Amino acid sequence: EVQLVQSGAEVKKPGESLKISCKGSGYSFTSYWIGWVRQMPGKGLEWMGIIYPGDSDTRYSPSFQGQVTISADKSISTAYLQWSSLKASDTAMYYCVRLGYSGYDYDAFDIWGQGTMVTVSS
Amino acid sequence: SSELTQDPAVSVALGQTVRITCQGDSLRSYYASWYQQKPGQAPVLVIYGKNNRPSGIPDRFSGSSSGNTASLTITGAQAEDEADYYCNSRDSSGIRVFGGGTKLTVL
Repeated sequence: EVQLVQSGAEVKKPGESLKISCKGSGYSFTSYWIGWVRQMPGKGLEWMGIIYPGDSDTRYSPSFQGQVTISADKSISTAYLQWSSLKASDTAMYYCVRLGYSGYDYDAFDIWGQGTMVTVSS
Repeated sequence: SSELTQDPAVSVALGQTVRITCQGDSLRSYYASWYQQKPGQAPVLVIYGKNNRPSGIPDRFSGSSSGNTASLTITGAQAEDEADYYCNSRDSSGIRVFGGGTKLTVL
């Protein structure tokens, strides 16, 4: 079964660092882009960025550039999203997604992780 | 990156047809993908490309595109289709963006 399994919920204080993970299984991890999506409480989906684990090519949404770091360790089929200094406004559900369908004029995220809830509160 | 605009809310009578739209400049060059999200669940892909459904998605879901507008049509809406729907597309640099989402109510 193709799946993405994310790390568990986190509760952190403002200013702390955090790294959450997303482990892929059931497919060739290095052959598909992995993205991250934020959903703040009661709000819509926001695309944060994407990484190709095969060569670590990474693209960020302008809204998130410099705010987070996306990385991957292909040896353990795991992608990461990290913050160096969390803010209360980082409180959200974070989903990792696989870019499973791709053509010259389309693509789509076919597999979603279960989500990781990050709560930042003093 | 381009923005994608969706109507915040749409309603449809049970068994009727509803169209959910998504507007943005990037849609002139790239097809949208559509995602369904029910409360407390991760989103699910329902339509991608010109009009493709992943395995397991009912054929009452279809997609179309014209100019800067992409549409998701549900023909014969069911109670279980009540959900939030999001479009997504990309630009030439590989940056993706989601629309703001449309809350579908089935009456």
